[in-house]
Amino acid sequence: QKEVEQNSGPLSVPEGAIASLNCTYSDRGSQSFFWYRQYSGKSPELIMFIYSNGDKEDGRFTAQLNKASQYVSLLIRDSQPSDSATYLCAVNPGDSSYKLIFGSGTRLLVRP
Amino acid sequence: DAGVTQSPTHLIKTRGQQVTLRCSPKSGHDTVSWYQQALGQGPQFIFQYYEEEERQRGNFPDRFSGHQFPNYSSELNVNALLLGDSALYLCASSGTETYEQYFGPGTRLTVT
Repeated sequence: QKEVEQNSGPLSVPEGAIASLNCTYSDRGSQSFFWYRQYSGKSPELIMFIYSNGDKEDGRFTAQLNKASQYVSLLIRDSQPSDSATYLCAVNPGDSSYKLIFGSGTRLLVRP
Repeated sequence: DAGVTQSPTHLIKTRGQQVTLRCSPKSGHDTVSWYQQALGQGPQFIFQYYEEEERQRGNFPDRFSGHQFPNYSSELNVNALLLGDSALYLCASSGTETYEQYFGPGTRLTVT
């Protein structure tokens, strides 16, 4: 069973701090990796995607991918209370698959 | 630029009934995927439609079926509803041969 694992949290950080969210995946053949943000009662919103090893930065967000360790992370710099949400890690398993496999999400709380 | 739209927003059905949910993809997208999200869980892949055909299917019973129309919009049908079918049903659209999927607002289905 191909799996994506996340710590459910909550991860609590003070306003202005760096929030670090982590995700591991079981299928070594996985090719594409995504981070979604989901506010309570809303649908997931795509905020980052990464396909190659290393870092990818977009504004206050940085996605980090290490395929050898089967590990992907999301850093949020200068965290704001509005960043409080559940962050879902999703993986495309490759091998001609089009689906995304999601983790259960990590709940982030940013304290004012 | 219109995003992904879904209807209805909420739906209450009785066990054993049938339901149809609708989705229109984001402008420029031709691929539609459906996911089921139970409370506190990540979305689970139901199936994906491309060129009016079911291209890939997840581990869902045949009670779940779908359709894609020439204008790329899609329907999800669920027959013989069970209490366990109560969930948020999400439609995601993507472009040809891309893996980034963008979600609509979802349909909250309650089965009583």
